[in-house]
Amino acid sequence: EIVLTQSPATLSVSPGERATLSCRASQSVNSDLAWYQHKPGQAPRLLIYGASTRATGIPARFSGSGSGTEFTLTISSLQSEDFAVYYCQQYNKWPPQYTFGQGTKLEIK
Amino acid sequence: EVQLVESGGGLVQRGGSLRLSCVGSGFTFSNYWMNWVRQAPGKGLEWVANIRQTGSETFYVDSVKGRFTISRDNAKNSLYLQMNSLRAEDTAVYYCARTPGTTRFFDNWGQGTLVAVSS
Repeated sequence: EIVLTQSPATLSVSPGERATLSCRASQSVNSDLAWYQHKPGQAPRLLIYGASTRATGIPARFSGSGSGTEFTLTISSLQSEDFAVYYCQQYNKWPPQYTFGQGTKLEIK
Repeated sequence: EVQLVESGGGLVQRGGSLRLSCVGSGFTFSNYWMNWVRQAPGKGLEWVANIRQTGSETFYVDSVKGRFTISRDNAKNSLYLQMNSLRAEDTAVYYCARTPGTTRFFDNWGQGTLVAVSS
């Protein structure tokens, strides 16, 4: 099983500042990595797929980078609606054994 | 607008059974792989199972193999998860999620339905 480790577990950032979230895979997943935003009581929302491609309707302040085992989600100029939990997910293997990271909680400083 | 609406959650005793449903609208349901993903209280997301467009292929996370069955009825735009031999660790919010095209991530999710297994 591919294990994804996200860091930090909690990130405190002020509105308007930049947030950088990390996701490390236990083995290479090439670029088969997605990022999701999840707010309590809501459906998770796809932000990034293919490690760096923004999903439809996602603002340009969200960007993803990396390949292999090291990935980053960057949110430039944080807005109030961006405070949530963020998960990375790998989808490299077939038959599927998709796995998620444990999440990073982005909170208001 | 794509919508996925889950139902069927509730409180069930350990060892019991429950059937979850998910109805899709706003897209051609039969064109997509569909998935169930769950989130236990205070925990992260866990992929549970998926099913090919025709229902001819299904896959499961190891922890539910032999206990859960995913199925679909394309005529009703519906996805199902039959859960048997439920355990306390199956307590979670269960989401249905769509996989676009030949990709393997999840581009649309439902709001989830809560399953609580009492011991």
